[in-house]
Amino acid sequence: QQQVKQSPQSLIVQKGGISIINCAYENTAFDYFPWYQQFPGKGPALLIAIRPDVSEKKEGRFTISFNKSAKQFSLHIMDSQPGDSATYFCAADQAGTALIFGKGTTLSVSS
Amino acid sequence: SAVISQKPSRDICQRGTSLTIQCQVDSQVTMMFWYRQQPGQSLTLIATANQGSEATYESGFVIDKFPISRPNLTFSTLTVSNMSPEDSSIYLCSVKFSTEAFFGQGTRLTVV
Repeated sequence: QQQVKQSPQSLIVQKGGISIINCAYENTAFDYFPWYQQFPGKGPALLIAIRPDVSEKKEGRFTISFNKSAKQFSLHIMDSQPGDSATYFCAADQAGTALIFGKGTTLSVSS
Repeated sequence: SAVISQKPSRDICQRGTSLTIQCQVDSQVTMMFWYRQQPGQSLTLIATANQGSEATYESGFVIDKFPISRPNLTFSTLTVSNMSPEDSSIYLCSVKFSTEAFFGQGTRLTVV
């Protein structure tokens, strides 16, 4: 099932710094690429998402960069805060099917 | 959006027994998905459950071990049968509206 590769596995960032998480996919049929945030004891929640016809999407401090030719996309968290400490999953979606998730990145933002 | 309620939220079970997890959605949905999340790991799709038809299982998951019911458009159950310690995981149900997927809070299962 592992069609989405995510790195790094863990990330430690200073408060105010930039967190960057990268993902790569194989299946060109994927047409939607969301990022999910998961706090301990909770289910994943949608953070931000992008379609392959757009190269960048920004929502507040969160930005997705998308490179269709390289089949890669990344999440940038600007001005990282301790409250951003969570596990982040990239995913890929194809209409009518279940999401395929990356392995996750555990982010710790130190104050 | 969707609100998904899962029961139980956690359980500790003896090996060899079975546990049924319930998932209730506040809206009607065609497909419901069941995922397993092992400690510190990603979400792995177990099966897709459509109302009125047999669930579709992913490679490595079989109906005898993980039977699923889908009696109507708002409810599904996943049973973990003949449990072993390797089944200790978080089990999550999920639905999609358009492109967005929503998840329940999960059932944390510990098999002893």
